[in-house]
Amino acid sequence: QQQVKQSPQSLIVQKGGISIINCAYENTAFDYFPWYQQFPGKGPALLIAIRPDVSEKKEGRFTISFNKSAKQFSLHIMDSQPGDSATYFCAASKRAGGTYKYIFGTGTRLKVLA
Amino acid sequence: AAGVIQSPRHLIKEKRETATLKCYPIPRHDTVYWYQQGPGQDPQFLISFYEKMQSDKGSIPDRFSAQQFSDYHSELNMSSLELGDSALYFCASSLTPPDTQYFGPGTRLTVL
Repeated sequence: QQQVKQSPQSLIVQKGGISIINCAYENTAFDYFPWYQQFPGKGPALLIAIRPDVSEKKEGRFTISFNKSAKQFSLHIMDSQPGDSATYFCAASKRAGGTYKYIFGTGTRLKVLA
Repeated sequence: AAGVIQSPRHLIKEKRETATLKCYPIPRHDTVYWYQQGPGQDPQFLISFYEKMQSDKGSIPDRFSAQQFSDYHSELNMSSLELGDSALYFCASSLTPPDTQYFGPGTRLTVL
C-alpha cells in the first residue's frame, strides 16, 4: 500500500508554463516533506522541503504548498524550462528509531517542451 | 561542497555471486541510509544507521547485510545475488538533526 500517493504519473508542459505535481499522505506522524529531482542514472537531488507548521515555501522558481488538514502538498515549478525535464519525487518523513525514515511517492516524469 | 560518494559506480555480477557496495557520507553526517531503485520505480528504503548502530530496517532481503564503520562509511553486502537484484542502489546521508537526506550518485548493479 502506497503511503504517499503522487500524481500525475507524467506531465508535459510548454516552456514558460507552470508545472504542478501533487502528493497526498495518510499518516499524521509525518512531519517533514521534501521534494527531490532525479535525472536518468543520477541520484535524487533535494529541491525544496517543508514542515507542517508552514503552508507555503518558495525557493526561486519552486514553491511547495502544504495543506495540513487535507494531508496534501504540492510542488509548483514556475516558468518551466526544458532543463527541468526530470522525474520528481515527493517524500514524507517520520521518526523511526534514531533516524527519520522517508516514504517516497511513485514519481512524476516531467517533460518541458522547448 | 562535499557530496556522498559511492563505489563502485557500476557493478556486473553473475547469479549467486556476492557484491559489496560502499558509501562515504558527507563529512560530519552521522546517519546513512540505503535505498534500492528499480527501473521506473521510486527508491525503496532498505536500512539505515545512526552513529554506527542500525536504526531502521525496510524491505531488505535476508541475503543482504550492512554496517556502518567507525569513520561513518557504510557497506552493503549482498550475497546469493538474483536477477531481481539488478537495480540502482543509493546511499544517502544526513546530520541528525535536521535529518535532510542527501543522496549519492548511486551504484548500478547488474546481475547476469
